[in-house]
Amino acid sequence: NAGVTQTPKFQVLKTGQSMTLQCAQDMNHNSMYWYRQDPGMGLRLIYYSASEGTTDKGEVPNGYNVSRLNKREFSLRLESAAPSQTSVYFCASTEGLLNTEAFFGQGTRLTVV
Amino acid sequence: SQQGEEDPQALSIQEGENATMNCSYKTSINNLQWYRQNSGRGLVHLILIRSNEREKHSGRLRVTLDTSKKSSSLLITASRAADTASYFCAMLNQAGTALIFGKGTTLSVSS
Repeated sequence: NAGVTQTPKFQVLKTGQSMTLQCAQDMNHNSMYWYRQDPGMGLRLIYYSASEGTTDKGEVPNGYNVSRLNKREFSLRLESAAPSQTSVYFCASTEGLLNTEAFFGQGTRLTVV
Repeated sequence: SQQGEEDPQALSIQEGENATMNCSYKTSINNLQWYRQNSGRGLVHLILIRSNEREKHSGRLRVTLDTSKKSSSLLITASRAADTASYFCAMLNQAGTALIFGKGTTLSVSS
């Protein structure tokens, strides 16, 4: 019972490089989310997908793109990484939106130098 | 802007003591949730309280909700060193389309 799986766990990028963070859930959840966590800032929502085929911007979407590949997978892409994107990224999923708990992946620690 | 805000930002107690942390929010909610995050790990769901509930228990956890004051509290009784973690409240955003989190309370329990 894997739950939410994120890859990779750690990544170092040079400024201007691109990369995709992968997220997959095996709970048949409808909604998926990408957050970033920075010291003293808590979790901030980057993008979310309320259901398969839809994506919407969250609080801090600039510099990111997402793809809801299918019901299981939700990827986050950095087209041209910047040092300000150094953070820990978490993927999460929920069965629906109301009265449901979120399940989180273990996080991806990204450093942009 | 974030919907919820926890207080205090940090809390240090001895094993056996109770820990109380609070969450205030700005607009009406359907439910409020509490999560725990151990260092270097993802968040884990602790408890969900609906807007028509005033109090809920789960083991050593007690959550209260006061919708008139737009606030919730999480009480951990008889704290253990293993309770050392950050605790977050969460709720739907104003559009009701995504779950958003406060900045968290960092709890340190020393033996």
